[in-house]
Amino acid sequence: EAQVTQNPRYLITVTGKKLTVTCSQNMNHEYMSWYRQDPGLGLRQIYYSMNVEVTDKGDVPEGYKVSRKEKRNFPLILESPSPNQTSLYFCASSLRGDTEAFFGQGTRLTVV
Amino acid sequence: AQSVAQPEDQVNVAEGNPLTVKCTYSVSGNPYLFWYVQYPNRGLQFLLKYITGDNLVKGSYGFEAEFNKSQTSFHLKKPSALVSDSALYFCAVRDGGNDYKLSFGAGTTVTVRA
Repeated sequence: EAQVTQNPRYLITVTGKKLTVTCSQNMNHEYMSWYRQDPGLGLRQIYYSMNVEVTDKGDVPEGYKVSRKEKRNFPLILESPSPNQTSLYFCASSLRGDTEAFFGQGTRLTVV
Repeated sequence: AQSVAQPEDQVNVAEGNPLTVKCTYSVSGNPYLFWYVQYPNRGLQFLLKYITGDNLVKGSYGFEAEFNKSQTSFHLKKPSALVSDSALYFCAVRDGGNDYKLSFGAGTTVTVRA
C-alpha cells in the first residue's frame, strides 16, 4: 500500500530535550515536506526537499532541522524544543511539483 | 511572496443543497492550485488540482473547482452536499517555478446537516 508513515503519532516531551520525528514514504517520490498545523493558521511549511541531499526552508524553519540522506526518509529534528513548538506535524511526499501530495497521519507533539 | 485566503471559517449547508468553499490566492508567477480535505484525526487527502488547461476542474467525491485568473480565485463546489462531506477543507497554492514552497489557507470547516 502506498503510504507516508510518521512516528511517533503522539509525543510529550520537556523543553530542551532533543527529539526526532521520522517520516518514510514507499512511493519513490522525489519531493518531501514537513508542515505544522495550528488552529486558525492552517498548515505552514517548515522545510522541503526536492531530492536526496537537497533541502530548503519553508515559511517557519526556525528551531527545526531536516536531512535527506535517502530518498524514502525525511526526518524532522528539534534540537532544543520549546513550548511554542507544541503542534500537529505532518510529513508529505509527492512525485513532482505539479502532482498531489500524500500526507502522513500526523504527529501530535506537546512540549512542556 | 505567495499566499492563500479562505474568507470563511465555517460553512453550513443542508444535505442536498449546493456547497461552495471560497479560496483566493496570490502568487507572482503561474499558480498551481490544490484542494485538500481533512477528516478528524486524519491526515489530509487530495481532492483536485489546477495546473493548466480547462478552468473547470473535476475531482474526487463529486467535487469540482473553477479557476478564475482575473479574480485570482479557485472556489471549491459540490452540486449536492452529503452529511459525509462534513470536514475541514484547505486550499493551497505554489508558484510554478523552481522551488517547492506550498502555502495553505487557514481552512474552512464544512458542516452538512441532515
